[in-house]
Amino acid sequence: AQTVTQSQPEMSVQEAETVTLSCTYDTSESDYYLFWYKQPPSRQMILVIRQEAYKQQNATENRFSVNFQKAAKSFSLKISDSQLGDAAMYFCAIIRMNSGYSTLTFGKGTMLLVSP
Amino acid sequence: EPEVTQTPSHQVTQMGQEVILRCVPISNHLYFYWYRQILGQKVEFLVSFYNNEISEKSEIFDDQFSVERPDGSNFTLKIRSTKLEDSAMYFCASSVTGGQGTGELFFGEGSRLTVL
Repeated sequence: AQTVTQSQPEMSVQEAETVTLSCTYDTSESDYYLFWYKQPPSRQMILVIRQEAYKQQNATENRFSVNFQKAAKSFSLKISDSQLGDAAMYFCAIIRMNSGYSTLTFGKGTMLLVSP
Repeated sequence: EPEVTQTPSHQVTQMGQEVILRCVPISNHLYFYWYRQILGQKVEFLVSFYNNEISEKSEIFDDQFSVERPDGSNFTLKIRSTKLEDSAMYFCASSVTGGQGTGELFFGEGSRLTVL
């Protein structure tokens, strides 16, 4: 069984500042993928960033980057130069590789508030 | 940009009634999923569907639940006799590839089900 824990129900950041959202996970698998999904209010979840567990290099997507610590089973998301449009619920998720089907295990989510 | 659409956005029903939630996945996607999120809790996997049959289901997906793809475009979730604890946001998702971990899931905006 896999579990994902997001210990921050809510985080706040000012525009242009940097914020880090925490995520820890537990899995018995050696190969897996980790994801951060963003869900703006009343909108669908969209993929923000993906990390393959076998890759040591941290994934980056423009202003979004991750700090992946495999031994510590930690997968935090850093948002640089925060924008008002970044305000959303952020979900951390894990999937084991070669699972056959994309069964994601999600965390409870972190609500990110962005103030001008 | 293609997206997953869900109807209705919100449905209120009486306990014991049957409910059908509808989803139109992205047209070239082959894998379909239902997830749900009870208020304040994690997004949980319900079922995955491929090649016109259920490929994986969770413990939540008991005999009260069923899925089908009746016409090649819609993907429906039926709850035969709703219970109070079925009140949740139900998310449909689809992906091009399966669970080798590379298949990004595209989510709909969700259908909120309220059982009274």
